[in-house]
Amino acid sequence: DAGVIQSPRHEVTEMGQEVTLRCKPISGHNSLFWYRQTMMRGLELLIYFNNNVPIDDSGMPEDRFSAKMPNASFSTLKIQPSEPRDSAVYFCASSLERRQETQYFGPGTRLLVL
Amino acid sequence: EDQVTQSPEALRLQEGESSSLNCSYTVSGLRGLFWYRQDPGKGPEFLFTLYSAGEEKEKERLKATLTKKESFLHITAPKPEDSATYLCAVLEGSQGNLIFGKGTKLSVKP
Repeated sequence: DAGVIQSPRHEVTEMGQEVTLRCKPISGHNSLFWYRQTMMRGLELLIYFNNNVPIDDSGMPEDRFSAKMPNASFSTLKIQPSEPRDSAVYFCASSLERRQETQYFGPGTRLLVL
Repeated sequence: EDQVTQSPEALRLQEGESSSLNCSYTVSGLRGLFWYRQDPGKGPEFLFTLYSAGEEKEKERLKATLTKKESFLHITAPKPEDSATYLCAVLEGSQGNLIFGKGTKLSVKP
């Protein structure tokens, strides 16, 4: 089992640029989550998909953030335009059926916006 | 507002020195409490799920317990490889969101 796969692992970009983060959930998992982790705020849920449909996006900070899940094996989180305060580690996690199930995390993407 | 508080923020132990980490929570309708371990530069790794007060789970040197208001992660005779940040998360009822604490950074010195 390959686990949750995220790419890129590191991203350095300049303010105003578009950033796209990618995630491949564990095969067979129907729920997918995007989190952001910072020293100040810890881990925060950004958005939750179930069966490829966005169910809860209340954690998405602004309209600059968008997420898609075109199929069961792929999701993207896009930031456009990026700002320095978006610098953080972004994690993708997946669970088997519902959000109540145990979530398994990917290795994260460390984003630095200059 | 729902809240998950972990203490202490950091803990330094000597190898073999047992101790406990605390996770206290105030949520409406607890549906589960999760413990994760996070190593530097990696994603959280699942350890335990507890669902009801009185429940206990064990894995090697770790034992997690749950009461109505808090959970403890007991570490017995820790080794340097137990050094990591331990995260507690609560699955609350109304939204079904997983709410994470800030974590306890554990350092075990040989």
